[in-house]
Amino acid sequence: QSALTQPPSASGSPGQSVTISCTGSSSDVGAYNFVSWFQQLSGKAPKLVLYEVSKRPSGVPDRFSGSKSGNTASLTVSGLQTDDEAHYYCSSYAGGNKYVFGTGTKVTVL
Amino acid sequence: EVQLVESGGGLVRPGGSLRLSCAASTSGLNAYAMNWVRQAPGRGLEWVSIISRGGTITQYGDSVKGRFIISRDSSNNMLYLQMNSLRAEDTALYYCAREAFTIWGRGTMVTVSA
Repeated sequence: QSALTQPPSASGSPGQSVTISCTGSSSDVGAYNFVSWFQQLSGKAPKLVLYEVSKRPSGVPDRFSGSKSGNTASLTVSGLQTDDEAHYYCSSYAGGNKYVFGTGTKVTVL
Repeated sequence: EVQLVESGGGLVRPGGSLRLSCAASTSGLNAYAMNWVRQAPGRGLEWVSIISRGGTITQYGDSVKGRFIISRDSSNNMLYLQMNSLRAEDTALYYCAREAFTIWGRGTMVTVSA
């Protein structure tokens, strides 16, 4: 049950886009369309921003989008805002009622 | 919207036990599977355990299997995590999260140290 691999950091200027990858295996990301993404602001609990690869919960702006290809899922944040500066984590269903999280990516708005 | 509140964290010696609780602000716990997720200081999220709506199905992460027990009390709308044989590496902020991780509590801190 290894953690999904994310780049440690990503950055962009206000208004630009940033894309974060989340690489797993054929047993988790590649096997199921149950990839979620979470935003964790400093000192706060995680907040769901995408589920089932690309679906947005109510209240999450459409600047957040997701996709998946093979064993890698991706989160794109368009029109970066200073409020988007946070850690982002992916997660995937891994079968057998198990889940696995990604290693996390710190997004910096320059 | 339902809010989740964890409690029961604290300082415990290696080998000791602790029981965490998670309460919902409404009766919203019973209709959903529930998870525990932890985050060690300065580290990422780690899925710990899940329990089905009816409480009959449970599953654990490899690092806690055989030591932790998840349970729920539907009559009191409560979720629990019994943690036994605690180790230093169990030190973390423990969150309860509703099915599909849609709602999270603020977490309760567990520190395992001599």
